[in-house]
Amino acid sequence: AQSVTQPDIHITVSEGASLELRCNYSYGATPYLFWYVQSPGQGLQLLLKYFSGDTLVQGIKGFEAEFKRSQSSFNLRKPSVHWSDAAEYFCAVGARYSGYSTLTFGKGTMLLVSP
Amino acid sequence: NAGVTQTPKFRILKIGQSMTLQCAQDMNHNYMYWYRQDPGMGLKLIYYSVGAGITDKGEVPNGYNVSRSTTEDFPLRLELAAPSQTSVYFCASSSQSAANTEAFFGQGTRLTVV
Repeated sequence: AQSVTQPDIHITVSEGASLELRCNYSYGATPYLFWYVQSPGQGLQLLLKYFSGDTLVQGIKGFEAEFKRSQSSFNLRKPSVHWSDAAEYFCAVGARYSGYSTLTFGKGTMLLVSP
Repeated sequence: NAGVTQTPKFRILKIGQSMTLQCAQDMNHNYMYWYRQDPGMGLKLIYYSVGAGITDKGEVPNGYNVSRSTTEDFPLRLELAAPSQTSVYFCASSSQSAANTEAFFGQGTRLTVV
């Protein structure tokens, strides 16, 4: 069965510093990979996705992620964090689960931004 | 430009009560989903639908029921509420399976069962 691991529950980054959120997945075939962001009191919003092709994908709000098949990773990065980036970030893999296709989410990483 | 609308936003239920969480989307999406989000656990799929009249169980369906009589609406029914159903519930929709396209989420319903 597919699974997604986000090893960091919380991360604190200073405003203006760079950010990397880690994501590792387990899936037998080529995965569809996603990063979603959840701002406080809001639903989830898609940041970016990887299906195939260029392994470095660009998303909204200045985020990017790199797919590394050899490491089963899909880490999210941003060169300079803004206070408005404080939110919870979810990595997800699109895969089949007991006969249907759906998203399997990681447990999330809460990003705190310090002044 | 409403997207996915969930009501209510908050609700407190007593053990054994029932309620319906409403979800409506205006994007003409065939696929709709109900997830629950528990602290530190990510999102778990409760039920999904691939079109009007077609629903099926997800990963954690026990204690819930759904119906899909129209493309727009996908209500989630809780019968005999239990404390284990205290959670934040998200409805989502997508044009194709969410496994390979963007899913759009509502703002969530925070449910407490006491």
